[in-house]
Amino acid sequence: AQKVTQAQTEISVVEKEDVTLDCVYETRDTTYYLFWYKQPPSGELVFLIRRNSFDEQNEISGRYSWNFQKSTSSFNFTITASQVVDSAVYFCALRLTGSGNTGKLIFGQGTTLQVKP
Amino acid sequence: GAGVSQSPSNKVTEKGKDVELRCDPISGHTALYWYRQRLGQGLEFLIYFQGNSAPDKSGLPSDRFSAERTGESVSTLTIQRTQQEDSAVYLCASSVQTSVVLGNEQFFGPGTRLTVL
Repeated sequence: AQKVTQAQTEISVVEKEDVTLDCVYETRDTTYYLFWYKQPPSGELVFLIRRNSFDEQNEISGRYSWNFQKSTSSFNFTITASQVVDSAVYFCALRLTGSGNTGKLIFGQGTTLQVKP
Repeated sequence: GAGVSQSPSNKVTEKGKDVELRCDPISGHTALYWYRQRLGQGLEFLIYFQGNSAPDKSGLPSDRFSAERTGESVSTLTIQRTQQEDSAVYLCASSVQTSVVLGNEQFFGPGTRLTVL
């Protein structure tokens, strides 16, 4: 079965602290995509990153970085020097690409990040 | 161009009534997804449309739920005889889906918050 687990339900940090959001996934498929989405208080999901299962290179985008480790089935997300505007719910999601799959996203339960000034 | 739009933004209904939720995908996006997000939970896949192919209805929780899509445009999600457990935010997403293998990101609408009294 396919599953995404975000064990951290809520995280609270003080502005400028670094914070890592964990994501662990389960699938027997060899080809898949992993995503991170941000859901601010307004409710609309914002796409952050997509990672192909064959590409284990870490990625950095400004204050955001992602660590993909296939050996541990993890796709963790780090925010460096957090800001109040980073406060949101963050979702990790898995998408299978094999025959018969429609591309639906399998979401984790989400991690609520609160950044205090 | 415009993003995914959904209407209404909020819907309050009485138990047992039928409701219709509407989604306007991004122009040119052939794939359309409906998800449900219960309070404090991740998103659950409901249904998927891709062009003229048969929809993937595997996520619909009961036969009270149905959805239609006209061509590659508007989609309507209908919930008949609503129950209190149907209370949730219903999110629509669309993507350019030339191939599932490409893993194109899904763009989400703002959602419809449904409250069943």
